[in-house]
Amino acid sequence: ETGVTQSPTHLIKTRGQQVTLRCSSQSGHNTVSWYQQALGQGPQFIFQYYREEENGRGNFPPRFSGLQFPNYSSELNVNALELDDSALYLCASSLAGRGNTGELFFGEGSRLTVL
Amino acid sequence: DAKTTQPNSMESNEEEPVHLPCNHSTISGTDYIHWYRQLPSQGPEYVIHGLTSNVNNRMASLAIAEDRKSSTLILHRATLRDAAVYYCILRNTGTASKLTFGTGTRLQVTL
Repeated sequence: ETGVTQSPTHLIKTRGQQVTLRCSSQSGHNTVSWYQQALGQGPQFIFQYYREEENGRGNFPPRFSGLQFPNYSSELNVNALELDDSALYLCASSLAGRGNTGELFFGEGSRLTVL
Repeated sequence: DAKTTQPNSMESNEEEPVHLPCNHSTISGTDYIHWYRQLPSQGPEYVIHGLTSNVNNRMASLAIAEDRKSSTLILHRATLRDAAVYYCILRNTGTASKLTFGTGTRLQVTL
């Protein structure tokens, strides 16, 4: 079984630009969530997608948006980038419903630097 | 979300057991206790979780206090590969994939 993969691994943007980060869920998982991890901090929950709909959101502004596709892969889009958006963005997949062990599987993240 | 409190850092010698404490005095009856760890330059990795009873798996053991206000993650024999930040997280089944991470405990393992 393949794990969670994210792309790109590193990228540099300038203030005001837009960025799209991608995530492929672990095989068989139907739920994906995104986290932002600033340097030296724990990850912060951005939002979750289940059956292609957002069904949970953390304290992040609307310029953070996402998509989940029928194959359960996902995108995180951030518009109007700010310097404080520089962080490691983590994707996690899980299986909601029966058979859910409660375990989230994380990718290795996409490190975004905003100049 | 109920909050957890962990020491900022701990040190251990290789091959020795490690006990990582976590306080969660405001835990509710439906909160599960989850532990994740994050190795350098990697995403968090699930370690173990439990509700009321002590739990064991191939990675670690989780000891939960009778009143559930604290728990301890036990690594039976620390290795250099166990050096990581360990996060104790309370997860309510109603909040699905939302994990509220604190700053965790940075475990250093020395020879």
